[in-house]
Amino acid sequence: AQSVTQPDIHITVSEGASLELRCNYSYGATPYLFWYVQSPGQGLQLLLKYFSGDTLVQGIKGFEAEFKRSQSSFNLRKPSVHWSDAAEYFCAVVNQGGSEKLVFGKGTKLTVNP
Amino acid sequence: DSGVTQTPKHLITATGQRVTLRCSPRSGDLSVYWYQQSLDQGLQFLIQYYNGEERAKGNILERFSAQQFPDLHSELNLSSLELGDSALYFCASSLGGPNTQYFGPGTRLTVL
Repeated sequence: AQSVTQPDIHITVSEGASLELRCNYSYGATPYLFWYVQSPGQGLQLLLKYFSGDTLVQGIKGFEAEFKRSQSSFNLRKPSVHWSDAAEYFCAVVNQGGSEKLVFGKGTKLTVNP
Repeated sequence: DSGVTQTPKHLITATGQRVTLRCSPRSGDLSVYWYQQSLDQGLQFLIQYYNGEERAKGNILERFSAQQFPDLHSELNLSSLELGDSALYFCASSLGGPNTQYFGPGTRLTVL
């Protein structure tokens, strides 16, 4: 079955530190890949997406993600975290040739210490 | 602002009742998707409509139904509500196909 794994339920970093959130997927072929962010009480905002081409994609708010086909991974990174980045982050995939539904990971909650 | 609107923002009701959640997609988008977010199940796909027709079904209970109207807005109807239906319900829209989905702010349903 198609699945998305975010191994870290909760991550705490200090403001100004670098950040990497992990995402692994299990699909028959390369899916379309997304990262969304959800601030408390808010909806889901798209950070970035990968459909094809350059495997390093840039998103909003200074985030980037790298698609690694050999590792079935799409990890999210930010070189310097700001207190406003505290939120929950969701990795999601869509199967290119099948259903258009998004399959989400369980999410990683990010806490930023001052 | 994603351009997707959902009403109401909050809904509190009792078990056994029926409610209707409304979603207006972004201008130009033909597909509407409904998702449920709960603490135990996470984000789960419920149903998709494309240009008025049902396109895909996910983990949607028989007590739940949806439709998409000619003006492309969509409604999710939840009936015979149970405590376990308390969740955040999101609507998303896209052009159709495996494209980027843009999410509304959600409707928080509380069943007492």
